[in-house]
Amino acid sequence: QVKLLQSGAALVKPGDSVKMSCKASGYTFTDYIIHWVKQSHGKSLEWIGYINPYSGGTNYNEKFKSKATLTVDKSSSTAYMEFSRLTSEDSAIYYCARAGLTPFGYWGQGVMVTVSS
Amino acid sequence: DIVLTQSPALAVSLGQRATISCRASQSVSISRYNLMHWYQQKPGQQPKLLIYRASNLASGIPARFSGSGSGTDFTLTINPVQADDIATYYCQQSRESPDTFGAGTKLELK
Repeated sequence: QVKLLQSGAALVKPGDSVKMSCKASGYTFTDYIIHWVKQSHGKSLEWIGYINPYSGGTNYNEKFKSKATLTVDKSSSTAYMEFSRLTSEDSAIYYCARAGLTPFGYWGQGVMVTVSS
Repeated sequence: DIVLTQSPALAVSLGQRATISCRASQSVSISRYNLMHWYQQKPGQQPKLLIYRASNLASGIPARFSGSGSGTDFTLTINPVQADDIATYYCQQSRESPDTFGAGTKLELK
């Protein structure tokens, strides 16, 4: 079955970067777009952007364009998101989600990122 | 960006009908496609897709969930509400980039 397994929680210092992963299994990785979504504590969801694993093409929410970088490694069926110049506002849970004929039909379990000195 | 407005909370009794609304700041429909989707999220879990394109039930979702609407006004209905349905429900539009989500409606027991 389709699974998206995300990397573990991260504790990072302000100004640092964090790179998180989303390993896909149960389907052909290059057939479906991977999205990334932010959920701040107790709050709603924000779409960060997506990457097409086949072409490497990306589309970002303007709000996160200078903050997030999306990449993939086709050989390991893994998508990555790097978040840079972290501040306390970036403390949140980050999800990867697969889109296809349906929107965000499959989600990873989320990565909790805490930014603290 | 398209803003989606949801009521913060809704209190219902078990076995009753729950109607959760979502209003968009502009139309999210293209031709016959209504690009509004609904998710359920329980504490400590990732969101789960319930309804896509306004009225299509996602795979594995019980038939007591249904969706309707077009243009700017959409509704998620749960009938009858069961204890397992206590969660927060989010609407999401994919009509225009960036995709946006509502603030969520917390379904509570009366």
